[in-house]
Amino acid sequence: DIVMTQSPDSLAVSLGERATINCKSSQSVLYTSNNKNYLAWYQQKPGQPPKLLIYWASTRESGVPDRFRGSGSGTDFTLTISSLQAEDVAVYYCQQYYSTSLTFGGGTKVEIK
Amino acid sequence: QVQLVQSGAEVKKPGASVKVSCKASGYTFTNYYIHWVRQAPGQGLEWMGRINANSGGTGYAQKFQGRVTMTRDTSISTAYMELSRLRSDDSAVYYCARAGVEMATMYFDYWGQGTLVTVSS
Repeated sequence: DIVMTQSPDSLAVSLGERATINCKSSQSVLYTSNNKNYLAWYQQKPGQPPKLLIYWASTRESGVPDRFRGSGSGTDFTLTISSLQAEDVAVYYCQQYYSTSLTFGGGTKVEIK
Repeated sequence: QVQLVQSGAEVKKPGASVKVSCKASGYTFTNYYIHWVRQAPGQGLEWMGRINANSGGTGYAQKFQGRVTMTRDTSISTAYMELSRLRSDDSAVYYCARAGVEMATMYFDYWGQGTLVTVSS
């Protein structure tokens, strides 16, 4: 299985400041035939199911605020929240869908400093 | 609007089986896969497997092979996940989630509300 490693486990950011979450895969998730990275990001708030934020590493799902930005390629990816809002407090997960055995990162908890 | 509505919480004894349902609405059920993901208390997300809602073809995570069975009933747009030989560490919230049929679209755009399964003697 492709192992997804997220860092940090948690971070505290002041309102309006930038939050950066990293995700590293144990092998490349770049599908060379279409040049797409098979990597998604989700946000999960307490007591709720996860919500899709980003797919193909950098494509925002409809309705997701543009302060959420996904970047990276191959094995190294980043989710950036450009200006943290109170409603962004959540756990964030990356997920690879390059392999038919899908795997998630361990999650990064984002809090307000 | 797309909705996935799951069955209610379950309490089971070790060694028993549990069957969770996921009723889809707001889209053509057979045009997508349904996946099952679980989350133990305070833990991360764990993919269990998927079912092609059209063909009924399945794919399971190796960890659950032999213990999980995913089925669907297209007449009522409902998918099911049955987990057998339950252990205490199977206590978790079980989610169904929708994904596309191509590998390029195997991300989860809609999720059910979750079903809490508690395994306790």
